[in-house]
Amino acid sequence: DVKVTQSSRYLVKRTGEKVFLECVQDMDHENMFWYRQDPGLGLRLIYFSYDVKMKEKGDIPEGYSVSREKKERFSLILESASTNQTSMYLCASSPDRGKGTFFGQGTRLTVV
Amino acid sequence: AQSVSQHNHHVILSEAASLELGCNYSYGGTVNLFWYVQYPGQHLQLLLKYFSGDPLVKGIKGFEAEFIKSKFSFNLRKPSVQWSDTAEYFCAVTFNDMRFGAGTRLTVKP
Repeated sequence: DVKVTQSSRYLVKRTGEKVFLECVQDMDHENMFWYRQDPGLGLRLIYFSYDVKMKEKGDIPEGYSVSREKKERFSLILESASTNQTSMYLCASSPDRGKGTFFGQGTRLTVV
Repeated sequence: AQSVSQHNHHVILSEAASLELGCNYSYGGTVNLFWYVQYPGQHLQLLLKYFSGDPLVKGIKGFEAEFIKSKFSFNLRKPSVQWSDTAEYFCAVTFNDMRFGAGTRLTVKP
């Protein structure tokens, strides 16, 4: 089975802190994604990557950056956390565009 | 802009009722279509997908969806829901990346 692992299930951070959310997949997938999930808004795409060292902005990239130094790892960075970034963050990977996406368990981030 | 719309935010049904959740997308090109389910406290799971061929797609747990190209729709159906179907359902469409609808929360009353 494909496994997408997010480093933390729950995080609490203070406003202004730099936050790293880590995601690792074990199936050599080329494509990796970061979403945030908020009630009534569904999943919104923050950033995605189709290759190592490659990144593209999604719908809501402001306040976030990403890093993909290795194929299996895709990190989401909150440069200066704010309370409106309190959310559930979901990492996903897929072997090819449009061929199905596998999700991690999610990281519930609270910024206080 | 490319977008995915789910018409119902919260649907409440009794057990054995029939279910239809609407999903529409706005994009004129070739798309792949998905429905995901998220049970309380669990991660997203793929329910079914459509790439090409027969527009009526059968998924797991008795769910099916029909792709109607002329209506840009991919509605999810189940003839008889169970209490265990209580979950949030997300329609997703791939353009150059995967975009999700806002989700529909389904509550099935026992």
